[in-house]
Amino acid sequence: GAGVSQSPSNKVTEKGKDVELRCDPISGHTALYWYRQSLGQGLEFLIYFQGNSAPDKSGLPSDRFSAERTGGSVSTLTIQRTQQEDSAVYLCASSLASGGRTLHFGNGTRLTVT
Amino acid sequence: AQSVAQPEDQVNVAEGNPLTVKCTYSVSGNPYLFWYVQYPNRGLQFLLKYITGDNLVKGSYGFEAEFNKSQTSFHLKKPSALVSDSALYFCAVRWGDDKIIFGKGTRLHILP
Repeated sequence: GAGVSQSPSNKVTEKGKDVELRCDPISGHTALYWYRQSLGQGLEFLIYFQGNSAPDKSGLPSDRFSAERTGGSVSTLTIQRTQQEDSAVYLCASSLASGGRTLHFGNGTRLTVT
Repeated sequence: AQSVAQPEDQVNVAEGNPLTVKCTYSVSGNPYLFWYVQYPNRGLQFLLKYITGDNLVKGSYGFEAEFNKSQTSFHLKKPSALVSDSALYFCAVRWGDDKIIFGKGTRLHILP
């Protein structure tokens, strides 16, 4: 596709349920980032994948959060036992490994935990 | 710890006046610096970046930014603001391990 694709665009879930958020990066982009955007909190770094290297998970807020990237392409962010404070917009971005890492963002998944 | 600061939550500027959105950073080594913009109900878009070379970089929509190593700043500027520039602006920094972190964002209001 032409850009980064995220699905679903909106997700409403009950507290305690698990959710999966999907990101399809731009073809050929080896780097993939996940961020969380909450009101007044800016963009919070969650996790970063680069090729086949071990991901940088330093931004994941708790062990309820995990992410994987299969075949160096599609990535899934999983939140287990969701809490109301997990409500936010989750953004995925991809980039080439060169050129300073200009990020191309998807439109995000708006997660609401009720 | 590595960090990016945008000291102003909101900046108001009259149309036609120059605008500045401030950004300072704290990273070890040589940073790569970026500005992104988020228009209402739209995704984040790249505006400009500094990697090396000339400290003044020019980007999309007439924006520019100046890298100041001594002050560890990368302020975003535009000589003449447009109402259509009203949006949320994010400064970002990348350093050695390719992690990219963002500031909290500055909401820019251009008043007609």
